Amino acid sequence: KQEVTQIPAALSVPEGENLVLNCSFTDSAIYNLQWFRQDPGKGLTSLLLIQSSQREQTSGRLNASLDKSSGRSTLYIAASQPGDSATYLCAVQYGNKLVFGAGTILRVKS
Amino acid sequence: NAGVTQTPKFRILKIGQSMTLQCTQDMNHNYMYWYRQDPGMGLKLIYYSVGAGITDKGEVPNGYNVSRSTTEDFPLRLELAAPSQTSVYFCASSGRTEAFFGQGTRLTVV
Repeated sequence: KQEVTQIPAALSVPEGENLVLNCSFTDSAIYNLQWFRQDPGKGLTSLLLIQSSQREQTSGRLNASLDKSSGRSTLYIAASQPGDSATYLCAVQYGNKLVFGAGTILRVKS
Repeated sequence: NAGVTQTPKFRILKIGQSMTLQCTQDMNHNYMYWYRQDPGMGLKLIYYSVGAGITDKGEVPNGYNVSRSTTEDFPLRLELAAPSQTSVYFCASSGRTEAFFGQGTRLTVV
């Protein structure tokens, strides 16, 4: 079964810290991997997309890496801010299906 | 740019009633998806479509039906609503790269 797992389930850090969110997947035959942000009561906003042939993508303070052989992706957030507080979701494209992890709830304290 | 539009935003149904959740995208994407999100959980795939006239079951299809008569529209039909279908429903579309999500429909079945 194609499963996606995110660790930790929740994370609370002081403002300014660098942090890493983890995503693991059971089947390495992926098409791409996408990180999303979800604010409470809102829809999903795409942060970064990594194609299966790529190793990493960067956007501002965010950097996502992909290691297909080990079935892992990480989302690195530099110099965290209270506005980064949200749920972060990892999604893996397997063929025609987009499979999600349960997410990591991030709280950045000021 | 409208992107992915879902209607309605909120709905309360009585047990046994039926309804259709509407989803429209204006990006000419072939891939469209329906997910449900329960509190504290990730997104579970209900149905997906790879093009007009083609639909397939996801992880949790029971109690739902879909159709895809045009590229733009992908409605989700609930027949005989049950309390277990209380959830937030998200529609998404993709051109096989980045996926875009609607703002969600919050459905309560009482």
